[in-house]
Amino acid sequence: DAGVTQSPTHLIKTRGQQVTLRCSPKSGHDTVSWYQQALGQGPQFIFQYYEEEERQRGNFPDRFSGHQFPNYSSELNVNALLLGDSALYLCASSFAGGAGNEQFFGPGTRLTVL
Amino acid sequence: AQSVTQPDIHITVSEGASLELRCNYSYGATPYLFWYVQSPGQGLQLLLKYFSGDTLVQGIKGFEAEFKRSQSSFNLRKPSVHWSDAAEYFCAVGAREYGNKLVFGAGTILRVKS
Repeated sequence: DAGVTQSPTHLIKTRGQQVTLRCSPKSGHDTVSWYQQALGQGPQFIFQYYEEEERQRGNFPDRFSGHQFPNYSSELNVNALLLGDSALYLCASSFAGGAGNEQFFGPGTRLTVL
Repeated sequence: AQSVTQPDIHITVSEGASLELRCNYSYGATPYLFWYVQSPGQGLQLLLKYFSGDTLVQGIKGFEAEFKRSQSSFNLRKPSVHWSDAAEYFCAVGAREYGNKLVFGAGTILRVKS
């Protein structure tokens, strides 16, 4: 079992550009959540996808959008990048029918906006 | 609003000494509680979790945590710290009533001196 995988590992963009990050969930998981972790802070919830729909959203602007595919993998898109979007983006997968929604995290994508 | 407080930003302990990392939460529902560990540049690894039942839970790597509802706390403990335990530790709270998103504390950086 490969666990949760994310790509790319690192990414450098300039202000105003758009970026797409990808996540493949752990085998058997059907729910994907995305978190942003700024330097020196704890992860902040962006949104969660289940059955190809956004089920819940945190306090992030509409520049952040996502998608879930039929195979449960997911993308995070960020438009009009700002310097403040520089962070580690973490994907977590879980099984909706599981107790307590235990979430398994991927290694993250480090995004740097110049 | 849901919140998690980890009062200690940094903690330094000697190898072989005991460890306690503090976590307090504010949540309007019956919480699920987690402790994650993050090594530099890495994703989050689950150490242990509390969903219900016995309030003292055992995790991996010799860690344990105790849920105290009256104090809204979920402190992490280890009787004897190893140099390899040096990392950042995050306490997180979730609840089915809030869609199972995780709310994280700001983290505690553990340094181990030999």
